[in-house]
Amino acid sequence: EAQVTQNPRYLITVTGKKLTVTCSQNMNHEYMSWYRQDPGLGLRQIYYSMNVEVTDKGDVPEGYKVSRKEKRNFPLILESPSPNQTSLYFCASSSIRSYYTEAFFGQGTRLTVV
Amino acid sequence: QQQVKQSPQSLIVQKGGISIINCAYENTAFDYFPWYQQFPGKGPALLIAIRPDVSEKKEGRFTISFNKSAKQFSLHIMDSQPGDSATYFCAASISGGSNYKLTFGKGTLLTVNP
Repeated sequence: EAQVTQNPRYLITVTGKKLTVTCSQNMNHEYMSWYRQDPGLGLRQIYYSMNVEVTDKGDVPEGYKVSRKEKRNFPLILESPSPNQTSLYFCASSSIRSYYTEAFFGQGTRLTVV
Repeated sequence: QQQVKQSPQSLIVQKGGISIINCAYENTAFDYFPWYQQFPGKGPALLIAIRPDVSEKKEGRFTISFNKSAKQFSLHIMDSQPGDSATYFCAASISGGSNYKLTFGKGTLLTVNP
């Protein structure tokens, strides 16, 4: 089954404690990205990657890091989480081979920083 | 700067009625306009999409109407059903660019009463 898998689904952490949210896709997609979803703000892109070792900032990158060492994985790293990073996070992947491409989203990770 | 404006924020419709959600965009470089549907606890999933070379696209009970000159597009759900209750996001992107980012509207929470 084609899917994007995020872990964990739920996470409560304390301010300043480094954490990583993993994302893996099994569709051999080149493009992967992270979004955060906040009430009344929709989904906003954090970082994206066009392929292995190629990453770039989205609209709200402050406080986040990413890496793309393998094509299937795109972890999101919060080195020093703060309460304003409490949000619902989604990883998405898509193929860049077709001009108009569908994004496949993971199930989401609900993060609470206290 | 919000590049895709979506309205209404919430919508309540009776079963069998028509649900209409509107979006307006500012960036004339956008050339792909998908709608995503999100159920509680799930990630967004592509519902229907349109390119600016057509004015309307219909898939079952779902229709996108597109007005390029007005920079507006809308989703119509005919014969709305309780199972359609979800959050709907319009989005826009620039295909084939350096970032396949989806720019989302803020979302519309649709409730279809039985």
